[in-house]
Amino acid sequence: KAGVTQTPRYLIKTRGQQVTLSCSPISGHRSVSWYQQTPGQGLQFLFEYFSETQRNKGNFPGRFSGRQFSNSRSEMNVSTLELGDSALYLCASSSWTSGRSRVTGELFFGEGSRLTVL
Amino acid sequence: AQTVTQSQPEMSVQEAETVTLSCTYDTSESDYYLFWYKQPPSRQMILVIRQEAYKQQNATENRFSVNFQKAAKSFSLKISDSQLGDAAMYFCGMSGGATNKLIFGTGTLLAVQP
Repeated sequence: KAGVTQTPRYLIKTRGQQVTLSCSPISGHRSVSWYQQTPGQGLQFLFEYFSETQRNKGNFPGRFSGRQFSNSRSEMNVSTLELGDSALYLCASSSWTSGRSRVTGELFFGEGSRLTVL
Repeated sequence: AQTVTQSQPEMSVQEAETVTLSCTYDTSESDYYLFWYKQPPSRQMILVIRQEAYKQQNATENRFSVNFQKAAKSFSLKISDSQLGDAAMYFCGMSGGATNKLIFGTGTLLAVQP
């Protein structure tokens, strides 16, 4: 079965612009989470969605937002881009469902969208 | 707050030898998972091994095993019979509670010498 697909893979923007990244999870996975990866800060959690609802949010400014659609596909948006937003943005899906009291921690990652802000 | 610390930014191992990557963590959760993820160059991250905190037995997956010391909050990864394909960035991480919010360490870049 197909893995997690992220588009676009690479993009270059200038300061002040906005960007939208897309993520298609593994078929049947309803939980999608986003991470930002930079050399300085490492991997940082952005947000998690399940059944179109944001379940958890990391410590990022309001310029970072996301949403999930009824088919579990997710998008994240960054407005008013800053140089520091240059990063690899990773999407991950999991088979966790609301019926489980604990998550297994097994995430399936996409290859990421590499954003460069000039 | 949960924290994960990897004190070895880079490690190197000879092919067929054994290497251990260190990881310490801190959490107030009583129920959590620990795991190691591997990120090869320009490739996607994949789960290497996972440990449930309430299980005392150390997890093993083929050549990969962990040394889980709960009291010391230590979770090291041992790679036996290292192969060239093991060269990658390795991230230690944890999750707690009913959330897929994973906290990662800063990573250890493993080089495998032929």
